[in-house]
Amino acid sequence: DIVMTQSPDSLAVSLGERATINCKSSQSVLYSSNNENYLAWYQQKPGQPPKLLIYWASTRESGVPDRFSGSGSGTDFTLTISSLQAEDVAVYYCQQYYSSPYTFGQGTKLEIE
Amino acid sequence: EVQVLESGGGLVQPGGSLRLSCAASGFTFSSYAMSWVRQAPGKGLEWVSVICANNYNTYYADSVKGRFTISRDNSKNTLYLQMNSLRAEDTAVYYCAKGSGSSCYSSSGYWGQGTLVTVSS
Repeated sequence: DIVMTQSPDSLAVSLGERATINCKSSQSVLYSSNNENYLAWYQQKPGQPPKLLIYWASTRESGVPDRFSGSGSGTDFTLTISSLQAEDVAVYYCQQYYSSPYTFGQGTKLEIE
Repeated sequence: EVQVLESGGGLVQPGGSLRLSCAASGFTFSSYAMSWVRQAPGKGLEWVSVICANNYNTYYADSVKGRFTISRDNSKNTLYLQMNSLRAEDTAVYYCAKGSGSSCYSSSGYWGQGTLVTVSS
């Protein structure tokens, strides 16, 4: 199974500042045939289901603010929030869908400093 | 508007069975992979199972393989999860999620509100 490890486990950032969350996979999730990374990022606010933010490692889902961006390839990925807003307080998860089981990272809790 | 609505959760004794349903609307159900993901109280997300759109291939987490069965009825726009031999560690909110495409190898673009399954004597 592919193990997804996020860092840090929790993060406190001031409003308007940049937040960066990392995700590392135990093996590459880059599919050479189409050069796509099978990596998604989700946001989960308290009491709500997860929401897809980013797929193919860097493609923003429709309606997601452009302050959210994803980067990385192979085994190392990053979710960046360029200017933190109050409504971004949530837990963020990465997930690989390269091979079953489609494992999630343990989550990163993002708070306001 | 895309909607997925889970039902069928509840309290069940260890060793018992439960069948979850997920009613979908607002999209062409037969054209999308569908997944189940669970979240134990206060814990992170755990992927459970996926069923592809095109060929009905299915995949499972090791923790549920042999006990859970995912299926779909495209005529009813409904996804199912049959859960047998339930254990205390299966206690969680179970989410139904719409794939971003027909392939099983896709992210989950839309999630339901979830249904709570509690396994306890």
